[in-house]
Amino acid sequence: QKEVEQDPGPLSVPEGAIVSLNCTYSNSAFQYFMWYRQYSRKGPELLMYTYSSGNKEDGRFTAQVDKSSKYISLFIRDSQPSDSATYLCAMSVGNAGKSTFGDGTTLTVKP
Amino acid sequence: GAVVSQHPSRVICKSGTSVKIECRSLDFQATTMFWYRQFPKQSLMLMATSNEGSKATYEQGVEKDKFLINHASLTLSTLTVTSAHPEDSSFYICSARGLGDNSPLHFGNGTRLTVT
Repeated sequence: QKEVEQDPGPLSVPEGAIVSLNCTYSNSAFQYFMWYRQYSRKGPELLMYTYSSGNKEDGRFTAQVDKSSKYISLFIRDSQPSDSATYLCAMSVGNAGKSTFGDGTTLTVKP
Repeated sequence: GAVVSQHPSRVICKSGTSVKIECRSLDFQATTMFWYRQFPKQSLMLMATSNEGSKATYEQGVEKDKFLINHASLTLSTLTVTSAHPEDSSFYICSARGLGDNSPLHFGNGTRLTVT
């Protein structure tokens, strides 16, 4: 079993929809949680970065971490075609070491 | 924000030759950089951790003599794919941690290597 599980999709939604992306994990020592967006043939771009449990909001994006359930989510409100990309969750134990990535969820937002 | 530059973005080489990929932190010093490999529609596979001034730490199954890593300064790490073969064709990405405590990873834009 992988340390981080992420549904690869693909996920297709109409423009303006609310998108929910999720990851589960097994290592209770993870404390730092990240969401990255990756466009085709590009490197991942950091979207959200949270420490421990709780919510964090940045514009149309909201990240949630539930450490008791070992479950993290990324919500995208008012989704746009430009949001079409692969979304990777990542997490780490400390802030200086390597991160463990999910397999990524491919999202398509249709105009 | 922290910027990581990777060069070249794309390279085609012949089988048996070596290819060097550079990863630079443009506006911050990075004592640690990470090198990943990514196959189509798959996630990032960590290859090695590059430490400034010391030997890189390779993940299990990654040949250190084939994938040479040099982190000679606080802003530059290089990955050299030696004696490349077609099966080495892939997307290689580097990352580094930004400034300050609790800083997340920032990624370069990747290098697409094609070995013919």
